Amino acid sequence: AQSVTQLDSQVPVFEEAPVELRCNYSSSVSVYLFWYVQYPNQGLQLLLKYLSGSTLVKGINGFEAEFNKSQTSFHLRKPSVHISDTAEYFCAVNCYRDNDMRFGAGTRLTVKP
Amino acid sequence: DAGVTQSPTHLIKTRGQQVTLRCSPKSGHDTVSWYQQALGQGPQFIFQYYEEEERQRGNFPDRFSGHQFPNYSSELNVNALLLGDSALYLCASSVGPPGVSGNTIYFGEGSWLTVV
Repeated sequence: AQSVTQLDSQVPVFEEAPVELRCNYSSSVSVYLFWYVQYPNQGLQLLLKYLSGSTLVKGINGFEAEFNKSQTSFHLRKPSVHISDTAEYFCAVNCYRDNDMRFGAGTRLTVKP
Repeated sequence: DAGVTQSPTHLIKTRGQQVTLRCSPKSGHDTVSWYQQALGQGPQFIFQYYEEEERQRGNFPDRFSGHQFPNYSSELNVNALLLGDSALYLCASSVGPPGVSGNTIYFGEGSWLTVV
């Protein structure tokens, strides 16, 4: 079965600084990869997803992620963060023909002024 | 266009009781999945319904059951509640099962269940 590891539970960063949230996955079959954001007391909102094709995926709010098959990673990046980006970020993997989407434990991004 | 809607938003139950949570999928979506998110953790897959049948189930006991109606809405039932069932229960919908082609799943805002 597939699994996801988010390498940092908390990432503090200053406003306008770049940020990278790390995600590694394990699977023996083809996967679809996702990043979701969860603001306090809300559900999850899709930031971006990788299905196939170009390994660099652009999402909403200026976020992007790069799929690296050899390193089984799907790190999320943003060149300049805002206070409003403070939230919990979840990496998720879905194997082909498997409807059980597996989520990581989450990374709490805190943007400080 | 209404997204995924869930009810109730918050509820408190006593150990041993039963609870029913409800979900209406996003317009045009026919597949509903349920997730449990404990405090400080990522969501965990409970089960998925498509064409009114449970298509796949995660590692949850039989106390967790569900149903999908002809209008694609869904219910999650939990019997014999335990303290450990306290969590945010998220409903998600998609057009077809997500494992087929990476269909995006859209989440509701969840139902907070507290078991005392």
